[in-house]
Formats: sequence, C-alpha cells, structure tokens
Amino acid sequence: EDKVVQSPLSLVVHEGDTVTLNCSYEVTNFRSLLWYKQEKKAPTFLFMLTSSGIEKKSGRLSSILDKKELFSILNITATQTGDSAIYLCAVTNSGNTPLVFGKGTRLSVIA
Amino acid sequence: DSGVTQTPKHLITATGQRVTLRCSPRSGDLSVYWYQQSLDQGLQFLIQYYNGEERAKGNILERFSAQQFPDLHSELNLSSLELGDSALYFCASSPSLAGEYEQYFGPGTRLTVT
Repeated sequence: EDKVVQSPLSLVVHEGDTVTLNCSYEVTNFRSLLWYKQEKKAPTFLFMLTSSGIEKKSGRLSSILDKKELFSILNITATQTGDSAIYLCAVTNSGNTPLVFGKGTRLSVIA
Repeated sequence: DSGVTQTPKHLITATGQRVTLRCSPRSGDLSVYWYQQSLDQGLQFLIQYYNGEERAKGNILERFSAQQFPDLHSELNLSSLELGDSALYFCASSPSLAGEYEQYFGPGTRLTVT
C-alpha cells in the first residue's frame, strides 16, 4: 500500500526564519510527488516533482526530490505570517491512481 | 480560485438522512476526484471518475455513491448519514487519468451531521 509520511507534524517559527518540511514515501511505480498548501479551505497546488535532484522554485518556496532515498523537502525562506498553513505532500504512481496524501505539517509563523 | 466549483458550501443534516454534493470541474478537465477530510484522518481519497466512467475507488463506504454526468459535473451521494460522516468533502479535477497533471481542488463542502 502506498504511504506518505510527513515530518514534523507541527512547527512554530518566527517571521524571517527558514523552515524545512520533510516528506518520505513508499509507492509502487512512482510517478510524481506533489506539494500543496492548505490554509482555511481547499489545498492549493505548489509543486509537482518527477525527477531527482532538480529544484523547483517559486519565490521563497523551493522543493527537491530524492528518488533514491524516497523523500522530498519543501523549504521556505524568510517566512511570513501568511505562510502559516498546513503543507500537504502527496504521491502518484504510474497507474491510474488518485493522490495519496500525508497527514500534513502544520506551520505557524509568529510575528 | 482553482476553477473547480462545489455546492453547497455548508450542509447541516440529521443522522439517517441523505445528501447530494455537487462538483463542476475546471473547463477541459475530464477527471474528477472526491476526497473526504476529517480532523483525525487527513485527506482520504473516495472515488474517481473520468469522462463519465468510474476509474478508481478508495476508502468509500457502501452508503456513499457518485456519478459523473455527460457535462462532466459530478455528484457525491451520501446516505444513511452517521455522526462520523461529518467532514469536509473536496472535489478535485485534472485533465487526464494518469498522475502526470496536478489536481486542482474545489472549495469544499462542510457536512455536519447532528
């Protein structure tokens, strides 16, 4: 059974700090790993990663995938209070599959 | 705004009742996915439709069913409701079957069973 484990489960940081969120996975015939940000309601898409070692970047957020060690990290630099959210990691395999989600990391950024 | 719409936003109903949640995917997306999110379980996949046909089933109870119509909107029917069915129900859509495209989520329907 495909599995995604995220750590830490929750994190409290001060504005300006840099954070690293972790996602490890077990999936048969891996295809992609996705990061989503969930604030009050629907998860919003951040990144999709399919290849090892290639960093995806969007502003202060970046992510990278290690297919050998089966994990990904999401980095947020110079955190702001607006980054407070639950960050969800999900994986797909090469078949016709839905996303398998981890339980998420709840990030709280305090001023 | 993801382009995926869901109605209603909130629903309060009593145990034993039946409700229908509706989802319209993004324009051009053929796949619709339904997810349930509760506090203790996280996001759980329920069922997927592609161009009107059921394609994958997850942890969906027998009391729940879904369909996708020719105009590609989808409905999730929940019957004989129990207190434990209270949750956020999300619909997501993507252009194709395979996991090569990200899924875009609708705003969700919050179901409260009393």
